[in-house]
Amino acid sequence: EPEVTQTPSHQVTQMGQEVILRCVPISNHLYFYWYRQILGQKVEFLVSFYNNEISEKSEIFDDQFSVERPDGSNFTLKIRSTKLEDSAMYFCASKGLVASPNIQYFGAGTRLSVL
Amino acid sequence: GENVEQHPSTLSVQEGDSAVIKCTYSDSASNYFPWYKQELGKRPQLIIDIRSNVGEKKDQRIAVTLNKTAKHFSLHITETQPEDSAVYFCAVIVEYGNKLVFGAGTILRVKS
Repeated sequence: EPEVTQTPSHQVTQMGQEVILRCVPISNHLYFYWYRQILGQKVEFLVSFYNNEISEKSEIFDDQFSVERPDGSNFTLKIRSTKLEDSAMYFCASKGLVASPNIQYFGAGTRLSVL
Repeated sequence: GENVEQHPSTLSVQEGDSAVIKCTYSDSASNYFPWYKQELGKRPQLIIDIRSNVGEKKDQRIAVTLNKTAKHFSLHITETQPEDSAVYFCAVIVEYGNKLVFGAGTILRVKS
């Protein structure tokens, strides 16, 4: 069964540093998402991406965040200058248009630890 | 924006008993209601979903019911087993959007 893959599984960084979280969505999927989950809390939407542009973003997704689809397979989330409160699990998800148009498939996540 | 409330926050049941988790939502335009199971340190996995034109859906020991008038939906797990222990999240998608809005989660513990 195809899966969304994320790398790295765990990223440790110093406050103020830039990080890039990488995702390979399921091939032939057209919608891409980033969510985050602070330890012990619910999953929160960050941003959705379709047709090479952001289709929706949350209040969390401020100027420090950006997303990119640099090629036909990767989807990245960049945090320019990390803060302690950015520490969380970041999940990428993707969705197709046919068969199950509403279902979002999640990757295994990247645990970001900001020290 | 859409707001999703989920109850209870924790639920302990004996193996073999049933478990019920309830969610309410605020936006009447919500039209898709999935349930995700998340084991410790792992990704949320879809276990069942329902669309707004259906009142109930079953898949073996798992069922979801939807009451659009009251704006609530519930997850029912029958004959619970220890491997059902996990965090369960409800979510909704609003008709005019495509992001998932999650509930706060329910920690289910099945005691053997």
